[in-house]
Amino acid sequence: DAKTTQPTSMDCAEGRAANLPCNHSTISGNEYVYWYRQIHSQGPQYIIHGLKNNETNEMASLIITEDRKSSTLILPHATLRDTAVYYCIVPMDSNYQLIWGAGTKLIIKP
Amino acid sequence: EAQVTQNPRYLITVTGKKLTVTCSQNMNHEYMSWYRQDPGLGLRQIYYSMNVEVTDKGDVPEGYKVSRKEKRNFPLILESPSPNQTSLYFCASSVQGPRGEQYFGPGTRLTVT
Repeated sequence: DAKTTQPTSMDCAEGRAANLPCNHSTISGNEYVYWYRQIHSQGPQYIIHGLKNNETNEMASLIITEDRKSSTLILPHATLRDTAVYYCIVPMDSNYQLIWGAGTKLIIKP
Repeated sequence: EAQVTQNPRYLITVTGKKLTVTCSQNMNHEYMSWYRQDPGLGLRQIYYSMNVEVTDKGDVPEGYKVSRKEKRNFPLILESPSPNQTSLYFCASSVQGPRGEQYFGPGTRLTVT
């Protein structure tokens, strides 16, 4: 079973920041949090990952709470092309394979 | 261009007819993996390979086989396909194993009648 909890769907206005929350209360100390997205039925696309410090790259920012039980992916200026399903993923303990949940369907509206 | 390719992209077949879906990557990645995706669900891992000649079962390996004879290729074999294997299949590769950024192929939509 997925080790994360995400809202099923969210809307965001074009040009605004999209904030996607994720709960991962059972995360252990050495597990990273990964974010991917999937546009329609294309292959998923890596966005960002982090351990405990906030991370930023050209696509997004990742804010991880101090207790590491939740995180937020931020798309600073959402565009229509950001409409996708966003997956927050924490690896399994035993072999570090990623367990994917159903994700959050983000719809960017004009 | 760095990429993961899959063939075929679409396949309709009948129950019991053996088939192979090929996956190839040109990034010299050691880690490769196969996933299936069903409507409304996230990806479920079928098999993965940490390196040449090293493969391991994922969450849903039943009915599938894989081989990793060379680094760039990781074919998925369905010896006797059944309708419950109708799904969208993705191959992925990574330089750092599952911990690193995984690159995904475009997907293979398989229908078994």
